[in-house]
This record gives sequence, C-alpha cells and structure tokens, in this order.
Amino acid sequence: GENVEQHPSTLSVQEGDSAVIKCTYSDSASNYFPWYKQELGKGPQLIIDIRSNVGEKKDQRIAVTLNKTAKHFSLHITETQPEDSAVYFCAASSGNTGNQFYFGTGTSLTVIP
Amino acid sequence: NAGVTQTPKFQVLKTGQSMTLQCAQDMNHEYMSWYRQDPGMGLRLIHYSVGAGITDQGEVPNGYNVSRSTTEDFPLRLLSAAPSQTSVYFCASRRLVNTEAFFGQGTRLTVV
Repeated sequence: GENVEQHPSTLSVQEGDSAVIKCTYSDSASNYFPWYKQELGKGPQLIIDIRSNVGEKKDQRIAVTLNKTAKHFSLHITETQPEDSAVYFCAASSGNTGNQFYFGTGTSLTVIP
Repeated sequence: NAGVTQTPKFQVLKTGQSMTLQCAQDMNHEYMSWYRQDPGMGLRLIHYSVGAGITDQGEVPNGYNVSRSTTEDFPLRLLSAAPSQTSVYFCASRRLVNTEAFFGQGTRLTVV
C-alpha cells in the first residue's frame, strides 16, 4: 500500500516568518493530496488540497506544491501568525483500494509571537 | 449544521469491557471511516464503509467491529477492550471520490 512520510515532526518559527512542511509518497497512482490542520482538542480540518494535474495551488497565505516525478509535496505557510500553531497532516490517496487516505505522522508547528 | 457528531467525547474502560463509539453525519456522504490517533503515528485507518451495508478493514482493524445499516450512522465496537486500544478515535465522512473529509471532534478512550 501507500507510505507517506512527513518532515519535520516539530517546527518552531518566529511570527511573520515562513514555515515549510514536506511529505513524500510511494504509490505513483496517488492523485489527490490534502493537508489538514488539527488544533488542540479538535478533529483535523482541511486547509488546502491539490490534485496530480496541478503543480501548485495557493490560498491566501497557504500554498501547496507537488512534484509527481520525485513523489513529494510541500505545504508553505507565509507570514505566520500565532493562530497557525497546530498539528498539520499531509495525506495521499489514489482513489483506489476503497478510496483510502494515507496520512503522514504529523508536524507540530509553533509560531512564537 | 452538525456535520460529523461523535459520542462520547471521553471514556474510561476496564480491560475486557466492551463499548460502542457512535458516529453520525448529516451530509449524506457515502464514505465513512474510523481512525485512531496515537502520538508520533499520525492517523491510522481502522475500518471504512463506502455505503450502507458495505464495510471493509483498514490498516489496524483487530479488536474492532463496524456496521453500516444507514447512510448516516457508522458505529465502532470494541469487543473486549485492551490497554493497547487507549487512543483518540476520530470518525470522518466524505463523498466517495477524493474530496474533503470532515472529521468529528474525537473520542478520547482510556483502557485501564
């Protein structure tokens, strides 16, 4: 099955700096890559996603890039704010095998005011 | 506008006890799933369903049962709780094709 690796596991940045979280996947059939944000005591929420026919997608301060050849995708958060502090998960799905999402192990982001 | 509702939020069980975690969604989503979240291990799929009457195993199904008698409900049953099942459990639902998954608030389960 699919194997998704996520780095780093923890990340601290100063407010206003950028944060980058990277994920790699193993199954070349994967074609959907969502990113989820999980705040303390809550369930994960989708913040951005990208499909394999697109190389980059932006939504205000958040962007995701995808390199299909290298099988990696990254989350970029610019102008970080304290409310960006949370755990972030990447995931990959091929739409096969019951449409399973395979999640990375998470990155705990702390934005220091 | 409830989305995905999980009950209970917290539960303490003794080893060997059984219980059912409830999950309901009001978005008419075909796909529902249960995950467990453990420190450093991300979200691991326990069981999933692509529609009423259809269920299948995920990555870590042992010790858990599910059923899907309606589109809305997808309960997770622990048959004989073990300390290794201490975890935070999330239910999620979405459309069948790769789209946004909506998660419940989670159930924190402790087995002593």
